[in-house]
Amino acid sequence: AQKITQTQPGMFVQEKEAVTLDCTYDTSDQSYGLFWYKQPSSGEMIFLIYQGSYDEQNATEGRYSLNFQKARKSANLVISASQLGDSAMYFCAMMNRDDKIIFGKGTRLHILP
Amino acid sequence: KAGVTQTPRYLIKTRGQQVTLSCSPISGHRSVSWYQQTPGQGLQFLFEYFSETQRNKGNFPGRFSGRQFSNSRSEMNVSTLELGDSALYLCASSLGTGGNEKLFFGSGTQLSVL
Repeated sequence: AQKITQTQPGMFVQEKEAVTLDCTYDTSDQSYGLFWYKQPSSGEMIFLIYQGSYDEQNATEGRYSLNFQKARKSANLVISASQLGDSAMYFCAMMNRDDKIIFGKGTRLHILP
Repeated sequence: KAGVTQTPRYLIKTRGQQVTLSCSPISGHRSVSWYQQTPGQGLQFLFEYFSETQRNKGNFPGRFSGRQFSNSRSEMNVSTLELGDSALYLCASSLGTGGNEKLFFGSGTQLSVL
């Protein structure tokens, strides 16, 4: 069965430090996509970064990078130089060959001044 | 370019009533999908519409239905509301060409069932 696991319900990080949010996934598909979304208190889900299962290089988008370890089925999000505005819920998600997307339970990130 | 617009932002209903939520996708996007978000279950996929046809469906009872119009706007209907239907309902739009597309989400409709 397809599954996304985020083991960190909450994290507290000092401003300007780097932070890693964990995500592991389970799928029997060879072709899939992995996404990270940010959800601030306003409720809107904001796309951060995408990694395809066949991409050989780790995806990067500005301060966000995805540490993709395919053999371990891990897709951790790394945020460099964290900012107060990074405080939000973060969701890891996977889209499979049926074009259905499933989400993890999320990690609430708190950036401390 | 306007983002995904969901209306209303908040709704309060009582058990047994029905409700209709609206979603206007980004211009040019033909796929609209709906999700239910609750603290206990997280984000769960409801259904996806493409070119006025339901293309994918999650595991929700028949009380949850939807439709898509020719301009790609979509509505979601929940009949015979139950307390457990209280949730944030998010819709997302994409081009609909498949292949791990990026989804663009609206701000959601917060439904409270009393």
